[in-house]
Amino acid sequence: SQQGEEDPQALSIQEGENATMNCSYKTSINNLQWYRQNSGRGLVHLILIRSNEREKHSGRLRVTLDTSKKSSSLLITASRAADTASYFCATGMYTGGFKTIFGAGTRLFVKA
Amino acid sequence: DSGVTQTPKHLITATGQRVTLRCSPRSGDLSVYWYQQSLDQGLQFLIQYYNGEERAKGNILERFSAQQFPDLHSELNLSSLELGDSALYFCASSGRLAGAGANVLTFGAGSRLTVL
Repeated sequence: SQQGEEDPQALSIQEGENATMNCSYKTSINNLQWYRQNSGRGLVHLILIRSNEREKHSGRLRVTLDTSKKSSSLLITASRAADTASYFCATGMYTGGFKTIFGAGTRLFVKA
Repeated sequence: DSGVTQTPKHLITATGQRVTLRCSPRSGDLSVYWYQQSLDQGLQFLIQYYNGEERAKGNILERFSAQQFPDLHSELNLSSLELGDSALYFCASSGRLAGAGANVLTFGAGSRLTVL
């Protein structure tokens, strides 16, 4: 079973708009990451936030983490057509090795 | 090119057969992860190796096995294949076992397995 669940499953917006994706998870974590996947290709790491951090920024990306609610959100500002992809959250829990568990993903479509 | 090499890119085989998927991690990375991605199950964590040793295990079936060799490349063996094993199999690597950013993964392009 998946650790993280993304919401919404799919999102369609106009270029220039902001896109917000949410992730909920079930157990304690050391960190949470967001990855991007273009159709059928390998995932690419976007950003990592540690369990003791609440917010992190990287370029047009803003990630928040609420460990009390076991949830995270990814905001992409001023979206571009090239941002069209699937976005996955991944929770990391170290137990002698790092179990990094991915959610089901959000499909983002940015219309030009 | 991510630096993680997976072969073969595509593989078509029949039910009951056995296949081996190979992964070479990014230069300098000691940790290898295997994932299965299918339409109905999403991205499932299978197993993690670090410097030849199994370190974390996910939803890996008993029909599947993996190992990491002294040169750090890894192989995922899938046997008694079923139709439901058709999926994209990804290998990912990372540099360290623990600590900040240890599980930031670099993914390969995947091996697409089709079981007929």
